[in-house]
Amino acid sequence: SQQGEEDPQALSIQEGENATMNCSYKTSINNLQWYRQNSGRGLVHLILIRSNEREKHSGRLRVTLDTSKKSSSLLITASRAADTASYFCATVRSNFGNEKLTFGTGTRLTIIP
Amino acid sequence: GAVVSQHPSWVICKSGTSVKIECRSLDFQATTMFWYRQFPKQSLMLMATSNEGSKATYEQGVEKDKFLINHASLTLSTLTVTSAHPEDSSFYICSARDWGRGRGTGELFFGEGSRLTVL
Repeated sequence: SQQGEEDPQALSIQEGENATMNCSYKTSINNLQWYRQNSGRGLVHLILIRSNEREKHSGRLRVTLDTSKKSSSLLITASRAADTASYFCATVRSNFGNEKLTFGTGTRLTIIP
Repeated sequence: GAVVSQHPSWVICKSGTSVKIECRSLDFQATTMFWYRQFPKQSLMLMATSNEGSKATYEQGVEKDKFLINHASLTLSTLTVTSAHPEDSSFYICSARDWGRGRGTGELFFGEGSRLTVL
Protein backbone atom coordinates (compact mmCIF):
# COMPACT_ATOMS: atom_id res chain seq x y z
CA SER A 1 0.00 0.00 0.00
CA GLN A 2 1.10 3.56 -0.56
CA GLN A 3 2.76 5.13 2.43
CA GLY A 4 2.79 8.68 1.24
CA GLU A 5 0.82 11.12 -0.71
CA GLU A 6 2.37 13.98 -2.54
CA ASP A 7 1.01 17.37 -3.23
CA PRO A 8 0.56 18.74 -5.78
CA GLN A 9 0.15 15.88 -8.23
CA ALA A 10 1.37 18.14 -11.00
CA LEU A 11 3.17 21.47 -10.99
CA SER A 12 4.14 23.77 -13.85
CA ILE A 13 6.35 26.79 -13.27
CA GLN A 14 8.52 29.15 -15.24
CA GLU A 15 12.21 28.52 -15.47
CA GLY A 16 14.03 30.33 -12.70
CA GLU A 17 11.19 30.07 -10.21
CA ASN A 18 11.28 27.89 -7.13
CA ALA A 19 9.34 24.62 -7.01
CA THR A 20 7.96 23.19 -3.79
CA MET A 21 6.57 19.69 -3.44
CA ASN A 22 5.08 18.19 -0.31
CA CYS A 23 4.87 14.65 0.95
CA SER A 24 2.78 13.25 3.78
CA TYR A 25 3.13 9.81 5.28
CA LYS A 26 1.25 7.71 7.78
CA THR A 27 3.57 5.73 10.03
CA SER A 28 6.73 6.42 11.98
CA ILE A 29 9.87 6.40 9.91
CA ASN A 30 13.61 6.03 10.21
CA ASN A 31 14.32 8.25 7.22
CA LEU A 32 12.69 9.83 4.22
CA GLN A 33 14.21 10.08 0.78
CA TRP A 34 13.44 11.97 -2.38
CA TYR A 35 13.90 10.50 -5.82
CA ARG A 36 13.63 11.88 -9.32
CA GLN A 37 12.36 10.00 -12.35
CA ASN A 38 12.62 11.20 -15.90
CA SER A 39 9.84 9.93 -18.15
CA GLY A 40 10.21 6.23 -18.85
CA ARG A 41 13.45 5.92 -16.91
CA GLY A 42 14.65 4.59 -13.60
CA LEU A 43 14.87 6.54 -10.38
CA VAL A 44 17.73 8.69 -9.21
CA HIS A 45 18.32 9.29 -5.52
CA LEU A 46 18.35 13.00 -4.64
CA ILE A 47 18.58 13.37 -0.89
CA LEU A 48 17.96 11.54 2.37
CA ILE A 49 16.81 13.08 5.62
CA ARG A 50 16.78 11.15 8.87
CA SER A 51 13.95 11.25 11.39
CA ASN A 52 16.05 13.28 13.82
CA GLU A 53 16.84 15.93 11.22
CA ARG A 54 14.62 18.86 10.35
CA GLU A 55 16.28 20.33 7.30
CA LYS A 56 18.88 19.34 4.78
CA HIS A 57 20.45 20.99 1.76
CA SER A 58 22.09 19.65 -1.36
CA GLY A 59 22.94 22.12 -4.08
CA ARG A 60 19.66 23.68 -5.24
CA LEU A 61 17.65 21.22 -3.18
CA ARG A 62 16.27 21.87 0.27
CA VAL A 63 14.36 19.23 2.18
CA THR A 64 12.47 19.68 5.40
CA LEU A 65 10.97 17.05 7.65
CA ASP A 66 8.30 17.52 10.30
CA THR A 67 7.82 14.22 12.09
CA SER A 68 5.06 15.64 14.29
CA LYS A 69 3.01 16.34 11.18
CA LYS A 70 4.39 13.36 9.29
CA SER A 71 5.26 15.53 6.35
CA SER A 72 8.22 16.57 4.25
CA SER A 73 8.82 19.15 1.57
CA LEU A 74 11.26 19.37 -1.30
CA LEU A 75 12.24 22.78 -2.58
CA ILE A 76 14.09 23.19 -5.84
CA THR A 77 15.45 26.71 -6.20
CA ALA A 78 16.17 28.52 -9.46
CA SER A 79 14.52 25.82 -11.50
CA ARG A 80 15.86 24.77 -14.89
CA ALA A 81 14.20 23.10 -17.84
CA ALA A 82 16.25 19.99 -17.07
CA ASP A 83 14.48 19.70 -13.72
CA THR A 84 11.35 18.58 -15.56
CA ALA A 85 10.61 15.12 -14.14
CA SER A 86 8.51 13.28 -11.60
CA TYR A 87 9.60 13.51 -7.99
CA PHE A 88 8.81 10.87 -5.42
CA CYS A 89 9.26 10.75 -1.69
CA ALA A 90 9.97 7.39 -0.14
CA THR A 91 10.03 6.34 3.48
CA VAL A 92 12.00 3.75 5.37
CA ARG A 93 10.47 2.53 8.58
CA SER A 94 13.46 1.00 10.32
CA ASN A 95 17.23 1.12 10.24
CA PHE A 96 17.70 -2.48 9.29
CA GLY A 97 19.68 -2.65 6.09
CA ASN A 98 17.13 -4.52 4.04
CA GLU A 99 14.15 -2.45 4.95
CA LYS A 100 12.11 -1.64 1.88
CA LEU A 101 11.24 1.81 0.60
CA THR A 102 7.60 2.79 0.31
CA PHE A 103 6.97 5.42 -2.31
CA GLY A 104 4.57 8.32 -2.39
CA THR A 105 2.28 9.11 -5.27
CA GLY A 106 4.69 11.53 -6.90
CA THR A 107 4.63 15.07 -8.27
CA ARG A 108 5.05 15.69 -11.99
CA LEU A 109 7.07 18.86 -12.34
CA THR A 110 7.21 20.76 -15.61
CA ILE A 111 9.58 23.67 -16.01
CA ILE A 112 8.55 26.03 -18.77
CA PRO A 113 11.54 27.58 -20.56
CA GLY B 1 28.40 5.57 -8.70
CA ALA B 2 26.84 2.15 -8.44
CA VAL B 3 25.19 0.84 -11.56
CA VAL B 4 22.22 -1.42 -11.80
CA SER B 5 21.36 -2.71 -15.24
CA GLN B 6 18.09 -4.11 -16.48
CA HIS B 7 17.47 -6.11 -19.60
CA PRO B 8 15.51 -5.89 -21.77
CA SER B 9 14.57 -2.24 -21.59
CA TRP B 10 11.39 -2.99 -23.46
CA VAL B 11 9.64 -6.12 -24.63
CA ILE B 12 6.46 -6.92 -26.52
CA CYS B 13 4.98 -10.38 -26.24
CA LYS B 14 1.84 -12.27 -27.05
CA SER B 15 -0.70 -13.13 -24.41
CA GLY B 16 0.04 -16.45 -22.78
CA THR B 17 3.80 -16.34 -23.19
CA SER B 18 6.38 -15.87 -20.44
CA VAL B 19 8.85 -13.04 -20.26
CA LYS B 20 12.06 -12.86 -18.25
CA ILE B 21 13.56 -9.60 -17.05
CA GLU B 22 17.09 -9.46 -15.69
CA CYS B 23 18.48 -7.13 -13.08
CA ARG B 24 22.24 -6.96 -12.61
CA SER B 25 24.41 -5.06 -10.22
CA LEU B 26 27.42 -4.22 -12.35
CA ASP B 27 30.01 -3.05 -9.87
CA PHE B 28 28.87 -4.34 -6.52
CA GLN B 29 27.36 -7.41 -4.94
CA ALA B 30 23.72 -7.27 -3.92
CA THR B 31 22.34 -9.85 -1.52
CA THR B 32 18.98 -8.15 -1.77
CA MET B 33 17.19 -6.70 -4.74
CA PHE B 34 13.74 -5.21 -4.97
CA TRP B 35 11.25 -5.45 -7.81
CA TYR B 36 8.76 -2.66 -8.38
CA ARG B 37 5.92 -2.20 -10.79
CA GLN B 38 4.79 1.15 -12.09
CA PHE B 39 1.68 2.00 -14.09
CA PRO B 40 1.63 5.13 -16.26
CA LYS B 41 1.74 8.33 -14.25
CA GLN B 42 1.56 6.40 -11.02
CA SER B 43 3.93 5.56 -8.22
CA LEU B 44 6.11 2.52 -7.72
CA MET B 45 4.52 -0.44 -6.06
CA LEU B 46 6.85 -2.92 -4.41
CA MET B 47 6.19 -6.41 -5.71
CA ALA B 48 8.78 -8.49 -3.95
CA THR B 49 12.12 -8.59 -2.23
CA SER B 50 14.61 -10.87 -3.91
CA ASN B 51 17.11 -12.58 -1.62
CA GLU B 52 20.24 -14.25 -2.92
CA GLY B 53 20.15 -17.97 -2.27
CA SER B 54 16.68 -18.05 -0.78
CA LYS B 55 13.06 -17.54 -1.67
CA ALA B 56 11.76 -14.14 -2.54
CA THR B 57 9.42 -12.33 -0.20
CA TYR B 58 6.28 -11.19 -1.97
CA GLU B 59 4.09 -8.26 -1.05
CA GLN B 60 0.47 -8.83 -0.24
CA GLY B 61 -1.62 -9.27 -3.35
CA VAL B 62 1.28 -10.23 -5.63
CA GLU B 63 0.94 -13.70 -7.10
CA LYS B 64 4.20 -15.55 -6.57
CA ASP B 65 3.33 -18.16 -9.18
CA LYS B 66 2.66 -15.40 -11.67
CA PHE B 67 5.78 -13.40 -10.99
CA LEU B 68 8.67 -15.80 -10.49
CA ILE B 69 11.77 -14.33 -8.93
CA ASN B 70 15.16 -15.98 -8.89
CA HIS B 71 18.26 -14.53 -7.25
CA ALA B 72 20.87 -17.12 -8.11
CA SER B 73 23.98 -14.99 -7.67
CA LEU B 74 25.11 -11.88 -5.85
CA THR B 75 24.85 -9.81 -9.01
CA LEU B 76 21.75 -11.13 -10.76
CA SER B 77 18.06 -11.32 -10.01
CA THR B 78 15.45 -12.29 -12.57
CA LEU B 79 11.73 -11.64 -12.73
CA THR B 80 9.70 -13.93 -14.96
CA VAL B 81 6.15 -12.94 -15.81
CA THR B 82 4.47 -16.23 -16.56
CA SER B 83 1.50 -16.64 -18.89
CA ALA B 84 1.44 -12.91 -19.44
CA HIS B 85 -1.82 -11.11 -20.11
CA PRO B 86 -2.51 -7.55 -21.27
CA GLU B 87 -3.15 -6.46 -17.68
CA ASP B 88 0.45 -7.38 -16.88
CA SER B 89 1.62 -4.63 -19.22
CA SER B 90 3.58 -2.25 -17.06
CA PHE B 91 6.96 -0.73 -16.29
CA TYR B 92 9.01 -3.01 -14.07
CA ILE B 93 11.93 -1.54 -12.14
CA CYS B 94 14.51 -3.28 -10.00
CA SER B 95 16.74 -1.81 -7.36
CA ALA B 96 19.62 -2.95 -5.22
CA ARG B 97 21.45 -1.69 -2.21
CA ASP B 98 25.22 -1.40 -2.30
CA TRP B 99 26.31 -2.37 1.19
CA GLY B 100 29.70 -0.90 0.55
CA ARG B 101 28.34 2.57 -0.13
CA GLY B 102 24.72 2.61 0.87
CA ARG B 103 24.99 0.78 4.17
CA GLY B 104 22.88 2.30 6.86
CA THR B 105 21.53 5.06 4.68
CA GLY B 106 18.75 3.19 2.95
CA GLU B 107 19.77 4.51 -0.43
CA LEU B 108 18.92 2.25 -3.32
CA PHE B 109 20.30 2.21 -6.83
CA PHE B 110 17.72 1.68 -9.51
CA GLY B 111 17.80 0.06 -12.90
CA GLU B 112 16.48 1.92 -15.92
CA GLY B 113 13.33 -0.17 -15.97
CA SER B 114 11.78 -2.65 -18.38
CA ARG B 115 8.59 -1.80 -20.23
CA LEU B 116 6.45 -4.84 -20.89
CA THR B 117 3.62 -4.74 -23.40
CA VAL B 118 1.44 -7.81 -23.69
CA LEU B 119 -0.68 -8.00 -26.81
